[in-house]
Amino acid sequence: DTEVTQTPKHLVMGMTNKKSLKCEQHMGHRAMYWYKQKAKKPPELMFVYSYEKLSINESVPSRFSPECPNSSLLNLHLHALQPEDSALYLCASSQRDRGYNSPLHFGNGTRLTVT
Amino acid sequence: TQLLEQSPQFLSIQEGENLTVYCNSSSVFSSLQWYRQEPGEGPVLLVTVVTGGEVKKLKRLTFQFGDARKDSSLHITAAQPGDTGLYLCAGEDNDMRFGAGTRLTVKP
Repeated sequence: DTEVTQTPKHLVMGMTNKKSLKCEQHMGHRAMYWYKQKAKKPPELMFVYSYEKLSINESVPSRFSPECPNSSLLNLHLHALQPEDSALYLCASSQRDRGYNSPLHFGNGTRLTVT
Repeated sequence: TQLLEQSPQFLSIQEGENLTVYCNSSSVFSSLQWYRQEPGEGPVLLVTVVTGGEVKKLKRLTFQFGDARKDSSLHITAAQPGDTGLYLCAGEDNDMRFGAGTRLTVKP
């Protein structure tokens, strides 16, 4: 079992829906990440939170809105998505942000399908 | 943004064969990590290499960090079907971005 928990595991939503992906870790990690992974591709970085503040936004469209309510929780709010946004969304955490020999711990992802 | 290049992109071999995959960059990293991802799961850390020239062994897997800390290799001895997966490298100081990955298939 992974120490990073993501819910839901699967999500199907229409283009007019609003939904949220949730991620939780209790390892005391201070950095949390959202990645998007398309089929047969590597994970692509979307957002990084460091000490509950957004430190990296990889020019992600505004229909994706991250939120870090506290150091253990990370949300990704979804609104007006497009079919091409269908992918596996991975959450990860690490002890600290880059440069500190701090490997990533991943959840098993949310498989999102936009219809 | 530093770029990590992995090769080969795809590799299909028979059980028992040896293989090496590579991760290269023009940038220097304070450390480099290797992950393996299986279908339906998130990537799982295999190893972190920190010192230039460092060699780490994990059972049949041998990881090496280049002397200049710009590249790394993963060698698998006597591959088994359970080694099948996507192998990813990620360089520290690289905003935790991944290389394109090597998709390995080991046939029984």
